[in-house]
Amino acid sequence: AQSVTQPDIHITVSEGASLELRCNYSYGATPYLFWYVQSPGQGLQLLLKYFSGDTLVQGIKGFEAEFKRSQSSFNLRKPSVHWSDAAEYFCAVTHNFNKFYFGSGTKLNVKP
Amino acid sequence: NAGVTQTPKFQVLKTGQSMTLQCAQDMNHNSMYWYRQDPGMGLRLIYYSASEGTTDKGEVPNGYNVSRLNKREFSLRLESAAPSQTSVYFCASSEGTASGYEQYFGPGTRLTVT
Repeated sequence: AQSVTQPDIHITVSEGASLELRCNYSYGATPYLFWYVQSPGQGLQLLLKYFSGDTLVQGIKGFEAEFKRSQSSFNLRKPSVHWSDAAEYFCAVTHNFNKFYFGSGTKLNVKP
Repeated sequence: NAGVTQTPKFQVLKTGQSMTLQCAQDMNHNSMYWYRQDPGMGLRLIYYSASEGTTDKGEVPNGYNVSRLNKREFSLRLESAAPSQTSVYFCASSEGTASGYEQYFGPGTRLTVT
């Protein structure tokens, strides 16, 4: 079975600092990978996705993620965090368009 | 264009009661999904429907039933609610094809079972 691990439950960064959220997956073939963001009381919004090709993908709100097959990772990055980025972030994986597996999430707190 | 809508937004049930959560999408998507979200566990797939007329189990289907009423609507039914089903429920939809299978989520239903 597929699984997705987000090892950091909570992360706190200062506004303007860089951010990296970790995501590791377990699956034999190349999966299709996603990052979502969830603000309190809201549904999930897609930040970016990786299907194939260039392993560095750009998303909305200045986020990017890099797929590293050798490490089974798909880490999310942002060069300079804004206070409005405080939210919970979820990594997800699928291989067949039907069953999606989500990580347990990382809550981001931004210090002024 | 409302995207994915869910009703109700909040619900409190007593143990043993039944209820149906409604979901509709207006994006002409083929695939629809029901998830539950519990603290520290992310989202877990309950059921999905790859196309109108088909449904299949996800990770945590026990205690739930679904109906894909038509292409737009996908309902989730709790026949006899249990406290373990206290959760936030999200419906999602996607095209379910190689050209577009990112999911679009509804705002969620917060269910409490006492």
